[in-house]
Amino acid sequence: QVQLVQSGAEVKKPGSSVKVSCRASGGIFNSYAISWVRQAPGQGLEWMGGIIAIFNTPKYAPKFQGRVTITADKSTTTAYMEVRSLRSEDTAVYFCARHSGYSYTSDFYMDVWGKGTTVTVSS
Amino acid sequence: QSVLTQPPSASGTPGQRVTISCSGSSSNIGSKTVNWYQQLPGTAPKLLIYSNDQRPSGVPDRFSGSKSGTSASLAISGLQSEDEADYYCATWDDSLNGWVFGGGTKLTVL
Repeated sequence: QVQLVQSGAEVKKPGSSVKVSCRASGGIFNSYAISWVRQAPGQGLEWMGGIIAIFNTPKYAPKFQGRVTITADKSTTTAYMEVRSLRSEDTAVYFCARHSGYSYTSDFYMDVWGKGTTVTVSS
Repeated sequence: QSVLTQPPSASGTPGQRVTISCSGSSSNIGSKTVNWYQQLPGTAPKLLIYSNDQRPSGVPDRFSGSKSGTSASLAISGLQSEDEADYYCATWDDSLNGWVFGGGTKLTVL
């Protein structure tokens, strides 16, 4: 049974960066895509982008293009998501989610989720 | 404003049947399959329905999904207290070239 284990909570200053990790265990990492979804306090879910692990090819939602970097390390079956130039509006729980297949596009839904990493941006 | 429109709240009494709607457009629901997620307070979303009407293993058959045109629905029959949660619809959007979610519906079991 695949599990996604995320890194711990972070508190960051405005203008700094944060890098969140998501380690996959119990499954074949290369065969799946990973997406990152965030949820601000009291708000809904927002897709940030995804990566096809086997090709290490990321894709970003337009809102996050240029400020977010998603990578994958096949040797450690770990995906990473870095957000730069943090602002207070980035305070949220960040989830990684595995897709049901090798791509993050429409035919491959998000079926397994990590427990989430809380990132707080405050001066 | 979310690309997919859901009612912010829904409610029912134990044993009742409730439905939650999700409205989109031709670039998302109208041409793609819809998935539904259940999020209990303080937890990660859980896949409830995929490909419009398919239930993952372990999801009770009290939960069912449907799609027609540019709208989708989640139905919960035999409502139970443990069904109290937030529910989100999600699909791919060809215009935005990414995944989009509904704003979420908070279900209260009275």
